[in-house]
Amino acid sequence: AQKVTQAQTEISVVEKEDVTLDCVYETRDTTYYLFWYKQPPSGELVFLIRRNSFDEQNEISGRYSWNFQKSTSSFNFTITASQVVDSAVYFCALTPLGRSGGGADGLTFGKGTHLIIQP
Amino acid sequence: DTAVSQTPKYLVTQMGNDKSIKCEQNLGHDTMYWYKQDSKKFLKIMFSYNNKELIINETVPNRFSPKSPDKAHLNLHINSLELGDSAVYFCASSQVSPRGYTFGSGTRLTVV
Repeated sequence: AQKVTQAQTEISVVEKEDVTLDCVYETRDTTYYLFWYKQPPSGELVFLIRRNSFDEQNEISGRYSWNFQKSTSSFNFTITASQVVDSAVYFCALTPLGRSGGGADGLTFGKGTHLIIQP
Repeated sequence: DTAVSQTPKYLVTQMGNDKSIKCEQNLGHDTMYWYKQDSKKFLKIMFSYNNKELIINETVPNRFSPKSPDKAHLNLHINSLELGDSAVYFCASSQVSPRGYTFGSGTRLTVV
């Protein structure tokens, strides 16, 4: 069984502060993918990043960065110099690599972290 | 062109009715899914289909029946709607490599 835990239900910071969203996962699969999605107030799910279990390199994309640590089963997400437009619910998700016909496994989502950026 | 489109976007209906939500993807993906997002924003997979074949069928009431006429379409039919069925339903499709999931914009179902 797989599980994704996002312990922070809600985070509120003032604009321009840095903020880190935590994600801890559990899986018996040795190979898997991890994802982060953003869900703004408009409701759609916006893909942010995919990381496979082979690649523990951290990634930076503009103000966003991700820290993947297999040893602690964590895939944390940091927003630097937060902006009001970053206000959204952020989901961490996990899927095994290679089971169920090579791609029919869906995503197991965490419960999401509601991020509020105050002006 | 929208990659994964679902209709309708909003659906308000009375208890006991039967309703369908349609989903189409133009990405050429082999696998499609239905997810349910409840009022607390929790997202949970309901079904997955790979090339029209049912692969995943999570613990979902029998009142929910997915139908895949071809690999580009996955519709969700719900019989005898109940208040607890009120949620946002997301359709998605996926590619195998590199693994990626594309979601539709969601259908907000309200049962009154």
